[in-house]
Amino acid sequence: GAVVSQHPSRVICKSGTSVKIECRSLDFQATTMFWYRQFPKQSLMLMATSNEGSKATYEQGVEKDKFLINHASLTLSTLTVTSAHPEDSSFYICSARFASGRADTQYFGPGTRLTVL
Amino acid sequence: TQLLEQSPQFLSIQEGENLTVYCNSSSVFSSLQWYRQEPGEGPVLLVTVVTGGEVKKLKRLTFQFGDARKDSSLHITAAQPGDTGLYLCAGDYTGTASKLTFGTGTRLQVTL
Repeated sequence: GAVVSQHPSRVICKSGTSVKIECRSLDFQATTMFWYRQFPKQSLMLMATSNEGSKATYEQGVEKDKFLINHASLTLSTLTVTSAHPEDSSFYICSARFASGRADTQYFGPGTRLTVL
Repeated sequence: TQLLEQSPQFLSIQEGENLTVYCNSSSVFSSLQWYRQEPGEGPVLLVTVVTGGEVKKLKRLTFQFGDARKDSSLHITAAQPGDTGLYLCAGDYTGTASKLTFGTGTRLQVTL
């Protein structure tokens, strides 16, 4: 299957600082990437859709000024959590859309555990 | 809003037992994916089903897409401890995987 990487895998920061998370598709080009958030023992919640060369599309209730998304190339999308607070602590997962002849699908990165002190 | 209900939410079984996980919706999906997620990791794609009535096998795992493409099931034969994890179904109703609707998840624990 297609490979998606995330960096860093875990980060601990002080309240008020900004944190950048990178998502890369390693062996395919992805015009569309997605950012999810997952709370303990829950399913994934889509935060935003990242489109290469254009603005991201945010889901209802997700603050676009707090969660900045940049999709600068066909293999890289970044999520910056600005002025992070303890309530932003969560598991953030990205995915990249892989186009195939039968059905497009999403391949997921390994996730980033963010802890805000 | 498309919703995907999975059942059961939690399943604890012993090694060697069989189990079935269900994924149900009132909406028609163009395709449906099944993922398995282990703690602290991202979901790993197991299978994509596209055609109504389709059955796919992956070693001891059997996936079925309902005839009406509104539901799916995952059957595991002779479960092993390595099967432990969170199983997620995800429906794509756009046909382009541009927005997946995730199921509520089934947490499976297989003990010796």
